[in-house]
Amino acid sequence: AQTVTQSQPEMSVQEAETVTLSCTYDTSESDYYLFWYKQPPSRQMILVIRQEAYKQQNATENRFSVNFQKAAKSFSLKISDSQLGDAAMYFCAYGSFIQGAQKLVFGQGTRLTINP
Amino acid sequence: EPEVTQTPSHQVTQMGQEVILRCVPISNHLYFYWYRQILGQKVEFLVSFYNNEISEKSEIFDDQFSVERPDGSNFTLKIRSTKLEDSAMYFCASSEALTGQLNQPQHFGDGTRLSIL
Repeated sequence: AQTVTQSQPEMSVQEAETVTLSCTYDTSESDYYLFWYKQPPSRQMILVIRQEAYKQQNATENRFSVNFQKAAKSFSLKISDSQLGDAAMYFCAYGSFIQGAQKLVFGQGTRLTINP
Repeated sequence: EPEVTQTPSHQVTQMGQEVILRCVPISNHLYFYWYRQILGQKVEFLVSFYNNEISEKSEIFDDQFSVERPDGSNFTLKIRSTKLEDSAMYFCASSEALTGQLNQPQHFGDGTRLSIL
């Protein structure tokens, strides 16, 4: 079974600074997807960024980028120029497919605080 | 932007009672999911649903749970006889599936907080 581990329960960063959230996973599959979801106090789960395992190039979405190390099974999220609106719980998730449906396995989450 | 909507936002139920959580997925999505998050714990997969049948279910999804797509828009999760340990936030999600593109991300609703007394 796949597992996802986020070793940082809480992180804080000064506004406008850069922060990196760590995520490691364990799997025997070769084809899978990785995601970072954000859950603000409003509690909606919002997709931040995704990475296909077969792609070597790291995904980037504006201020958000990942460092995907497939051999090390590591998938960290870097947030540049942190903004107050980035404050949320961040979940790393592993996606595998069964009959076309995608099952997500989540990490424990990292609570990110942005200090003004 | 289309959203997944869930109702109610908070449901309080007596132990042993049946509860139905409702979800309206995004209209052109074909895959539907339920997850739960017990307070302070990680989000856990419950079930995936496609073409009017369950694709996969977790060990949590026992005989007390069922899912249904009663019409073209709603997707429901029913718990027949609730237990205290069913208290959690329940998230519905949906994803579209395009031919050859199975990497469509899941879109989540705001969740229903279920409190069992």
